Amino acid sequence: KAGVTQTPRYLIKTRGQQVTLSCSPISGHRSVSWYQQTPGQGLQFLFEYFSETQRNKGNFPGRFSGRQFSNSRSEMNVSTLELGDSALYLCASIDVRGGETQYFGPGTRLLVL
Amino acid sequence: AQSVTQLDSQVPVFEEAPVELRCNYSSSVSVYLFWYVQYPNQGLQLLLKYLSGSTLVKGINGFEAEFNKSQTSFHLRKPSVHISDTAEYFCAVSDTGGFKTIFGAGTRLFVKA
Repeated sequence: KAGVTQTPRYLIKTRGQQVTLSCSPISGHRSVSWYQQTPGQGLQFLFEYFSETQRNKGNFPGRFSGRQFSNSRSEMNVSTLELGDSALYLCASIDVRGGETQYFGPGTRLLVL
Repeated sequence: AQSVTQLDSQVPVFEEAPVELRCNYSSSVSVYLFWYVQYPNQGLQLLLKYLSGSTLVKGINGFEAEFNKSQTSFHLRKPSVHISDTAEYFCAVSDTGGFKTIFGAGTRLFVKA
């Protein structure tokens, strides 16, 4: 089975811009979660989707949003970028029948200038 | 509410020595437990997981972990480490009825020659 795909892998934006990141989960997985990872804050949960419905959300401002499509692919969007949004954004494909085991993609590294 | 504590932020060890990375959790319900490894500039890779059954779980790369319900711990061990084991290790817990996985802050393992 193919693993989790995240695009793009690297991205440079400027403050005030918006960005959309994409994640394709493992075939057959209907749930994905998103995390932000920074050296200072570690791994922080953003949100989780199951069958196009958000079923959990972390403590991030409304500038961070996401969605899931009928083919289970997911996107997350960050509007009005701030310098502090520079991070590695990780997507995980969740095996809900296997103890909610998460399989991570390689991540998208976002740099905000 | 669940929480995960990784007791050591950094663990230096010499090559071929044994290592133990400690993880404690708190939860009022039954849990699933996971260990992930992250190499530089990569996503998280699943090392092993405990869903049920035997409390001693064997994973990839020679790692194993033991679930101790009375101590609410899930420590990761390897009898002999290699330079290539240098990475960051994350412990995670999800409750058996919920949808959210909580990650620890991570332990950075340094293996020295």
